[in-house]
Amino acid sequence: QLQLQESGPGLVKSSETLSLICTVSSGSIYSSDHYWGWIRQPPGKGLEWIGSIYYSGSTNYNPSLKSRVTMSVDTSKNQFSLRLTSVTAADTAVYYCARLHMTIFYFYGMDVWGQGTTVTISS
Amino acid sequence: QTVVTQEATLSVSPGGTVTLTCGLNSGAVSTDHFPSWYQQTPGQAPRTLIYNTDTRSSGVPARFSGFILGNKAALTITGAQATDESHYYCLLFMGSGISVFGGGTELTVL
Repeated sequence: QLQLQESGPGLVKSSETLSLICTVSSGSIYSSDHYWGWIRQPPGKGLEWIGSIYYSGSTNYNPSLKSRVTMSVDTSKNQFSLRLTSVTAADTAVYYCARLHMTIFYFYGMDVWGQGTTVTISS
Repeated sequence: QTVVTQEATLSVSPGGTVTLTCGLNSGAVSTDHFPSWYQQTPGQAPRTLIYNTDTRSSGVPARFSGFILGNKAALTITGAQATDESHYYCLLFMGSGISVFGGGTELTVL
């Protein structure tokens, strides 16, 4: 059964860059009907869609974060990653990676979730 | 700016039926938005309940059902159990690879 695991620093200084990696295990990042995504949840608040990436490197970003977000994929390591620049306290959140069941024809939502990793932005 | 609306809080009696809705500030929700629903308990990752409007994810009990209700997506829980007390989020696909979550509904079973 495919599993996802987030990793990265739990503490990032304000104005610096947040970098997270999601490792795909027991499955391949190569999939014609899946994208790989990031979702976050600030403390006590709801879920926020950050964006998604295809194994080819094609990306889609939340317009509100687009200027600061970069996602990439490393097929040799079966990993995909998130970079968020110029972070502030508002970026403090639990960050989840997920597999999205989607193609250009349909969107069936997230079918596998990572456990989440907490990132705190310090001043 | 796209805003997806959900009831902030709802309550249901054990064994009762409750319907959560998911609306859109810019118009009606349709199957073209591929509505999906997620359940989250504190400290846990979300769990996918429903996708593509009305398809239950593997292992999801039949008491959860999704559909379009008027101009909104809806999730009905029939025969609510104490374990259904959670936060519920809907997600709408807006096209061009972009999706938007609703603000979530906190469901109390009492």
